[in-house]
Amino acid sequence: SQQGEEDPQALSIQEGENATMNCSYKTSINNLQWYRQNSGRGLVHLILIRSNEREKHSGRLRVTLDTSKKSSSLLITASRAADTASYFCATGRGSNYKLTFGKGTLLTVNP
Amino acid sequence: DAGVTQSPTHLIKTRGQQVTLRCSPKSGHDTVSWYQQALGQGPQFIFQYYEEEERQRGNFPDRFSGHQFPNYSSELNVNALLLGDSALYLCASSLSKTSTDTQYFGPGTRLTVL
Repeated sequence: SQQGEEDPQALSIQEGENATMNCSYKTSINNLQWYRQNSGRGLVHLILIRSNEREKHSGRLRVTLDTSKKSSSLLITASRAADTASYFCATGRGSNYKLTFGKGTLLTVNP
Repeated sequence: DAGVTQSPTHLIKTRGQQVTLRCSPKSGHDTVSWYQQALGQGPQFIFQYYEEEERQRGNFPDRFSGHQFPNYSSELNVNALLLGDSALYLCASSLSKTSTDTQYFGPGTRLTVL
């Protein structure tokens, strides 16, 4: 079963706009990660935020984590056509070695 | 520095057959995890190997088995293939101490069962 639920399922924006994707999860976590997947290929790790962190930045990416609401958001600023991909959140738990993924958000950035 | 590699890229099998997928982890990594990703879904954890043993297993039947070799590479075997086994199979490598941190994924093997 999948722990995370991304919202929206699909998002279409124009180049230069910001894209925001949300993720909700059900149980306590050690960390939450965001991955990108282009056209059914392998996943690329974008950013990891730990349960004791509230916000993290990496280049044009900003991730927030609200453990009281069991939710996270991924903001991509000044989007580019090359950002077109599926984005997944994944949670890691302490004694559990696996990552649990959501169903993903399909982001389309139109040039 | 080579990343995670998987072979083959694509595979077509018929129901009832058996398949073996292969994975070489990123240099320096000792832990390999396997995930199944059905079309339109997120990856689902199959199992993880560390020190040549299965350390944790997801909700998959015994038809799914694996192996890890002394050089940390790994195989995923699926017996008695079903149509529902058609999916992208992803291998991910990590360091044992941080296995729930960043995992590095390979490009995947696309399995089609006819």
